[in-house]
Amino acid sequence: KNEVEQSPQNLTAQEGEFITINCSYSVGISALHWLQQHPGGGIVSLFMLSSGKKKHGRLIATINIQEKHSSLHITASHPRDSAVYICAVRRSGGANSKLTFGKGITLSVRP
Amino acid sequence: NAGVTQTPKFRILKIGQSMTLQCTQDMNHNYMYWYRQDPGMGLKLIYYSVGAGITDKGEVPNGYNVSRSTTEDFPLRLELAAPSQTSVYFCASSFGVAELFFGEGSRLTVL
Repeated sequence: KNEVEQSPQNLTAQEGEFITINCSYSVGISALHWLQQHPGGGIVSLFMLSSGKKKHGRLIATINIQEKHSSLHITASHPRDSAVYICAVRRSGGANSKLTFGKGITLSVRP
Repeated sequence: NAGVTQTPKFRILKIGQSMTLQCTQDMNHNYMYWYRQDPGMGLKLIYYSVGAGITDKGEVPNGYNVSRSTTEDFPLRLELAAPSQTSVYFCASSFGVAELFFGEGSRLTVL
């Protein structure tokens, strides 16, 4: 079983819809990252969080440490939100603890 | 600031050839990383460095070498290229275990 699981694998939405992308993990962590990758493009960090909730524009990220689960919400979705969304966790236990990445969710937002 | 710069963006190699992927960052980050991304898989860590003069293996180091002579530069060397090294390579940097900053990626094909 992978340490980081993302669901759903692929997601299609209509412009304007509220979107939720999920990430579950199976190890103790010190932080969780949400990343965005546009087709053929580089990777951009959206959020790093270790508890609670963070908001940036139309994006909201939440984490429940007890349930080992995080969600990324996109409000008022737009075609430019079409991208791969990647969840990554940093295991707890030391400054050199490395990141483990999920496989990513491919989101398509139709106009 | 340019952030993280990787070169080249694309390269085709013949089996057995060698090459170096260059990575430089201008944010004075102490941590630098090389990842590879294969279709349908999460990012895998090849090598990382926590400071100039210090490097360590990640999950998939075989067939690669790195050096970190300065804070800014972290080149990845491929010796005796093999088809299994066909992938997209990403360099990243961070200040400690904080937010990661990625380069645009280098697409390598070994024929």
